[in-house]
Amino acid sequence: GAVVSQHPSRVICKSGTSVKIECRSLDFQATTMFWYRQFPKQSLMLMATSNEGSKATYEQGVEKDKFLINHASLTLSTLTVTSAHPEDSSFYICSARAGGPDTQYFGPGTRLTVL
Amino acid sequence: AQSVAQPEDQVNVAEGNPLTVKCTYSVSGNPYLFWYVQYPNRGLQFLLKYITGDNLVKGSYGFEAEFNKSQTSFHLKKPSALVSDSALYFCAVRDMTTDSWGKLQFGAGTQVVVTP
Repeated sequence: GAVVSQHPSRVICKSGTSVKIECRSLDFQATTMFWYRQFPKQSLMLMATSNEGSKATYEQGVEKDKFLINHASLTLSTLTVTSAHPEDSSFYICSARAGGPDTQYFGPGTRLTVL
Repeated sequence: AQSVAQPEDQVNVAEGNPLTVKCTYSVSGNPYLFWYVQYPNRGLQFLLKYITGDNLVKGSYGFEAEFNKSQTSFHLKKPSALVSDSALYFCAVRDMTTDSWGKLQFGAGTQVVVTP
């Protein structure tokens, strides 16, 4: 089956620094990728939709200048958390759309801890 | 607008007993419905989906779900639960009429605990 990877799986950073998270589709091309964040024991909240070669579309309430998304190729999307603060600590999950819009494959997630 | 409700935060079941995880949905158009499972500190794994056709959908690991349009429900079921089924289960919906990108709306999740 289709595989989506995320790197790193876990990152700890100091407040004020920026962190980049990569999402890769390993064996398929993904024209659309999605970024979610998940707080402990809560549901996934869609942050943005990322389409290859165009600007990401952010959900209401998500700061585009804080959560920079780049979808430079059909197999790679990156999420950069700029000037991270402790409240940005969360589990970030990406998914990639393969083929039709009803098929998404999820990455294993990245645990971000901001001290 | 689309939404999904999972009314139970947690479901407890003994191993070997039937397992049901409830989900109801609301969409303005026609729904695509999904079930995913999440193990601790892991991403989501796809279990099954309803797009069209038979109301009873069979998926991975012995799970199945029944689409009920009149009750706007899509409950997940397994005839005989295993301890290894203990995980967090998410129901999700996509409004195929209004969304072309594949955006999913997730329910709050239901923690399933299967005891030996």
